[in-house]
Amino acid sequence: DQQVKQNSPSLSVQEGRISILNCDYTNSMFDYFLWYKKYPAEGPTFLISISSIKDKNEDGRFTVFLNKSAKHLSLHIVPSQPGDSAVYFCAASAQTGANNLFFGTGTRLTVIP
Amino acid sequence: KAGVTQTPRYLIKTRGQQVTLSCSPISGHRSVSWYQQTPGQGLQFLFEYFSETQRNKGNFPGRFSGRQFSNSRSEMNVSTLELGDSALYLCASSATGVGGYTFGSGTRLTVV
Repeated sequence: DQQVKQNSPSLSVQEGRISILNCDYTNSMFDYFLWYKKYPAEGPTFLISISSIKDKNEDGRFTVFLNKSAKHLSLHIVPSQPGDSAVYFCAASAQTGANNLFFGTGTRLTVIP
Repeated sequence: KAGVTQTPRYLIKTRGQQVTLSCSPISGHRSVSWYQQTPGQGLQFLFEYFSETQRNKGNFPGRFSGRQFSNSRSEMNVSTLELGDSALYLCASSATGVGGYTFGSGTRLTVV
């Protein structure tokens, strides 16, 4: 039973435009959310996180939005760059900071130069 | 500083055999978690060790086990391998378990 879902397996965006990656979750106990980026042959790299007490967190070109009532979060990348091309995983935890993360299946982002 | 190191990078085993994977966390990190990544399931949590004690466990059969040593290095063991165990096994470490865990590059296990 997939508690964290990324329904778009892939996304293509033109360089300079906005990339929006979406993630839905079913467990209302989740209170901490993270985004990871993964290149082939490498482990996932932590990108940005958000606690359930916030609805937005920004770090440079990356912004994560959380809509608790809809159990939905999204990652916005503005402007998108070719180096952003990777697989993006959304993850959630039921205890803030706990290591038993529940991951989505990933979205492959391709930024076209 | 050195990142999370996993050995070996690639492994081919025969069904029914057992395998041990190793993970060296970032120096000073006491928490080590293991994840299994397969194409259809994404990353799934196996277990977490903190100061040599298993603190959390995912929903995997008892054939999957692990341990952590006093230097925080961790090993994961899978006994009686099945074809479905073929996956990328990832290890992640953190200082206390507060978000932003650092992952290793993984061990690609193929069971034939």
